[in-house]
Amino acid sequence: DIQLTQSPSSLSASVGDRVTITCRASQNIKRYLNWYQQKPGKAPKLLIYAASTLHSGVPSRFSGSGSGTDFTLTIAGLQPEDFATYSCQQTYNTPETTFGPGTTVDI
Amino acid sequence: QVQLQESGPVLVKPSQTLSLTCNVSGASVSNDRYYWSWVRQPAGKGLEWIGRIHTTGITNYNPSLGSRVALSIDMSRRQFSLRLRSVTAADTAVYYCASDLQEYLDYWGQGALVTVSS
Repeated sequence: DIQLTQSPSSLSASVGDRVTITCRASQNIKRYLNWYQQKPGKAPKLLIYAASTLHSGVPSRFSGSGSGTDFTLTIAGLQPEDFATYSCQQTYNTPETTFGPGTTVDI
Repeated sequence: QVQLQESGPVLVKPSQTLSLTCNVSGASVSNDRYYWSWVRQPAGKGLEWIGRIHTTGITNYNPSLGSRVALSIDMSRRQFSLRLRSVTAADTAVYYCASDLQEYLDYWGQGALVTVSS
C-alpha cells in the first residue's frame, strides 16, 4: 500500500493569509496526486489533479506543486469560504487509491 | 456537470447487508470514459476507497474489504449500486458515490450516513 501523510494535521489562519499544506507519499508516485476540499457535513470537492492542474471552476488562489514523494497545496490569500479540511489522494497504483488523513484549516 | 445522489437504508443490523444506490444525472453511466466509485468516511476519520465499476461491468475492490463488497450497474436506470455483506459497527460511515476518471474523482454525491447497530 502507498501511504500518504499530511502536515500539519491542523492549522489556524486568518483571512488573507498564505497557507501551505504538505502531503508526503511513502514511495514515488510521480505526479499522481490530487487535492480535495471538504467542509463539515459536505462531500469532498476536487481542487487539483495531477499535482498541479486546477479543476474546472476552482479559484486561481489555489495551487499545487510537487512530484515524486513530496507535494504541496498552497492557498494564496485565504478567503472565508476556504476554511475546511484538505485531503490529498494518490492514484499512482489505481485502482487501489488511498487518501491522506486530512489537514483542517480553521480560524 | 455530473450530479450524483446516494440512497438507501440509514440503519443496518450487524451481520446483515448494507445496500446503497447512486443515481447519476448530467452524464451517462454507459460513458466509457468513466468508472463509478464508492468511498466511505467514518466519523472524524479520513476517506477510504471501497471500489469502482465500469460500464463494461469491470469491477475493482479495496482488498481490505475482501469478498464482502459487490458493485453493480444499471444503465437503463442511470444508477450504480453497492452491497456490503456481513457488516459490523466498523462499517458505520458516510458513504459517497463519485464519478471516477481513473486519475481522480471529479464529482461526488452528498453522502449517505449508514449506521450499523442492533
